[in-house]
Amino acid sequence: GESVGLHLPTLSVQEGDNSIINCAYSNSASDYFIWYKQESGKGPQFIIDIRSNMDKRQGQRVTVLLNKTVKHLSLQIAATQPGDSAVYFCAEKNGYNKLIFGAGTRLAVHP
Amino acid sequence: GAGVSQSPSNKVTEKGKDVELRCDPISGHTALYWYRQRLGQGLEFLIYFQGNSAPDKSGLPSDRFSAERTGESVSTLTIQRTQQEDSAVYLCASSSKTGADTQYFGPGTRLTVL
Repeated sequence: GESVGLHLPTLSVQEGDNSIINCAYSNSASDYFIWYKQESGKGPQFIIDIRSNMDKRQGQRVTVLLNKTVKHLSLQIAATQPGDSAVYFCAEKNGYNKLIFGAGTRLAVHP
Repeated sequence: GAGVSQSPSNKVTEKGKDVELRCDPISGHTALYWYRQRLGQGLEFLIYFQGNSAPDKSGLPSDRFSAERTGESVSTLTIQRTQQEDSAVYLCASSSKTGADTQYFGPGTRLTVL
């Protein structure tokens, strides 16, 4: 199917390297943040989340860092694999029930 | 178990026609969301259903867009008198309750308006 995010910023990494994807969010009152991975032709897939009372959370090969001072969120992927190639979106919960999504970053993993 | 499903997967229509998109949420999920994703962009919130409460329609871009949900099951998004700028992928998500619970997305319906 047609690729998602043809004109998105792209981060290119070598297989095995660590990847860091950054996101600036808009609302200092946002209290919940999520990272999603979207492969071409598929819906977004949950990766990891973090609440505003934390500054770091780790999952399997992924770590999310939250810096509320500068409204910055990052996703770190350890030992990046070809299967990690996708578009990554951060989202903030702004209000009672809505997620506000960022524009996305394409991660390209090269062998 | 089964995830969120959407149909059709692709829809091509002529400008001015009406279209109806369907979403089957995960069984037992009370919250359901519709988003629009234009090419190269993030997800744009359209509408949110939670149980029997009145839906949050604040993201619908015009009165040509409407959505319904029967109880805590299927939802349909209807676009009347489609325009070329309606071309996008329409994504549905569900979660087990409102608030911060993870939203699980369907594969989307790609709408092309000629």
